[in-house]
Amino acid sequence: GENVEQHPSTLSVQEGDSAVIKCTYSDSASNYFPWYKQELGKRPQLIIDIRSNVGEKKDQRIAVTLNKTAKHFSLHITETQPEDSAVYFCAASPFTGGGNKLTFGTGTQLKVEL
Amino acid sequence: DARVTQTPRHKVTEMGQEVTMRCQPILGHNTVFWYRQTMMQGLELLAYFRNRAPLDDSGMPKDRFSAEMPDATLATLKIQPSEPRDSAVYFCASGLVLGGARTEAFFGQGTRLTVV
Repeated sequence: GENVEQHPSTLSVQEGDSAVIKCTYSDSASNYFPWYKQELGKRPQLIIDIRSNVGEKKDQRIAVTLNKTAKHFSLHITETQPEDSAVYFCAASPFTGGGNKLTFGTGTQLKVEL
Repeated sequence: DARVTQTPRHKVTEMGQEVTMRCQPILGHNTVFWYRQTMMQGLELLAYFRNRAPLDDSGMPKDRFSAEMPDATLATLKIQPSEPRDSAVYFCASGLVLGGARTEAFFGQGTRLTVV
């Protein structure tokens, strides 16, 4: 089955700096890669996703890149703000006729310091 | 505002008791996931369903856990008997997969289970 590894487990940056979180996956059939943000005590919520037919996607201060050959993808947050502090999860999912199992990484605790 | 609804939000029970957690997926969604979240294990997939059929429950301890979808508006996760190590937050998520298209997985607010 799919195995998703995520690094680092914790990340501390100064406000205004950039943050990068990296994930690798094992199943070459995976073709959908979402990123979720989870604030303390709340549910995970999607912030951006990318499909395997594109290499990069941007949405304001966040961007995701995908390298299918190397089986890794990354989340980039620019101009970080205190409200970006949260746990971020990457995930990978194949789309096959049988289903769309969504496997998550272990999460990155991002802290944006003033 | 469509959302996934989970009940109860909090549950404290004694070891050995049966626990039932419920999830109402977003109307029209055909995929349901159950995840367990602990500090150490992140978001661990327990089971998932598509069109009410279980597709994968390999992450679920089958001697005590069971997951079902009695109908399209209700998914249940049962633990019998419960143990202290089952203490965690259990999330349900739903999504729609149709042909080559799919939506994101929307999460419920979770059930925080404490087994004493």
